Amino acid sequence: SQTIHQWPATLVQPVGSPLSLECTVEGTSNPNLYWYRQAAGRGLQLLFYSVGIGQISSEVPQNLSASRPQDRQFILSSKKLLLSDSGFYLCAWGAKQLGYGYTFGSGTRLTVV
Amino acid sequence: SQQGEEDPQALSIQEGENATMNCSYKTSINNLQWYRQNSGRGLVHLILIRSNEREKHSGRLRVTLDTSKKSSSLLITASRAADTASYFCAHWNRDDKIIFGKGTRLHILP
Repeated sequence: SQTIHQWPATLVQPVGSPLSLECTVEGTSNPNLYWYRQAAGRGLQLLFYSVGIGQISSEVPQNLSASRPQDRQFILSSKKLLLSDSGFYLCAWGAKQLGYGYTFGSGTRLTVV
Repeated sequence: SQQGEEDPQALSIQEGENATMNCSYKTSINNLQWYRQNSGRGLVHLILIRSNEREKHSGRLRVTLDTSKKSSSLLITASRAADTASYFCAHWNRDDKIIFGKGTRLHILP
């Protein structure tokens, strides 16, 4: 069965520091991978998605970037964090052609101080 | 915006009662999904209903879909404390992305 791992679970970082969040998927190959951000009490905002190695699409202009160095690895990064980057970050994989929904990671709670 | 909308935004009911949440969307869909999110956790896929289906059951969950009204409902019967969570409807768009609503916060009172 497919599983998705996301870490760390919580992170407190100072303004201006770098960020690296990692997500890996097991049990499937060539998955579509997604990064979402959820502000407190709000819905999900799609940040990036990837349909293959090195292929990244950005949904909104922001202080973040994403990379996909391996088929089942998706990384969210920032060179200098802003206070507004605080939030709950979720990685997901899905395949529309399979007719299923997403499988989500457990999320990372990022607090920028 | 393609975003769906859940209604109500928040719902509090007594344990044992049924909870009904509604969702409206704006575009044509192939299927519609419902997810649950416990506080501080990732989303869990609950159920998917295809556009040619009108109703689907899974345990205590019942989902209906009315494509003519672009709406869906999620019914949780005999609610339990563990059902306290946020519930989101979502659908695939034509660009292989899932569009989520803002969610309904369900609170089951003891």
